[in-house]
Amino acid sequence: SQQGEEDPQALSIQEGENATMNCSYKTSINNLQWYRQNSGRGLVHLILIRSNEREKHSGRLRVTLDTSKKSSSLLITASRAADTASYFCATGGGGADGLTFGKGTHLIIQP
Amino acid sequence: GAVVSQHPSWVICKSGTSVKIECRSLDFQATTMFWYRQFPKQSLMLMATSNEGSKATYEQGVEKDKFLINHASLTLSTLTVTSAHPEDSSFYICSARPTGSSYNEQFFGPGTRLTVL
Repeated sequence: SQQGEEDPQALSIQEGENATMNCSYKTSINNLQWYRQNSGRGLVHLILIRSNEREKHSGRLRVTLDTSKKSSSLLITASRAADTASYFCATGGGGADGLTFGKGTHLIIQP
Repeated sequence: GAVVSQHPSWVICKSGTSVKIECRSLDFQATTMFWYRQFPKQSLMLMATSNEGSKATYEQGVEKDKFLINHASLTLSTLTVTSAHPEDSSFYICSARPTGSSYNEQFFGPGTRLTVL
């Protein structure tokens, strides 16, 4: 199974700054998703980008996908303290398949 | 809509006992549910795929006799950790995929933290 890799592993920025996280994967995909996990909690789905899309926006989130490089990035603009969480990319999930998650980026927004 | 619950939220048990974790889709039916495990400061790893009315499909390295999965209805899947040991201590998260959905999104439960003493 494929395994996504995120970088950085951890990121600490000041409130108001933009945060960028990257994800790489190994095999071909139909889509890629990003999730957020607050400490000790379940996952919140943020955004899905299909393999034929290059960029997608949702509020303060911007996701890009480069299938030639097998990589994706998540940009959070104008960060807030409430954005402090771990962020995971995930691939798979088609049909009856479960998701394969990347290792995650732990984002800390300092007020 | 699309709410998934898990029960219990956390459980502490003695080594050697069995623990059952429930995953329910509250406002939709889910033919397929998934169980993931997350160790501290690590990512989620898929353990098994739970199929209503049939046997679960386990990922490589996951012992089916140790992690019993039952998906008896379209809204409930249970994971039983049998003869739990301290190394089974982890955060267990389920997800559910709405029946008939062509969308890849899975809805996640809030997780169950298992601590085995």
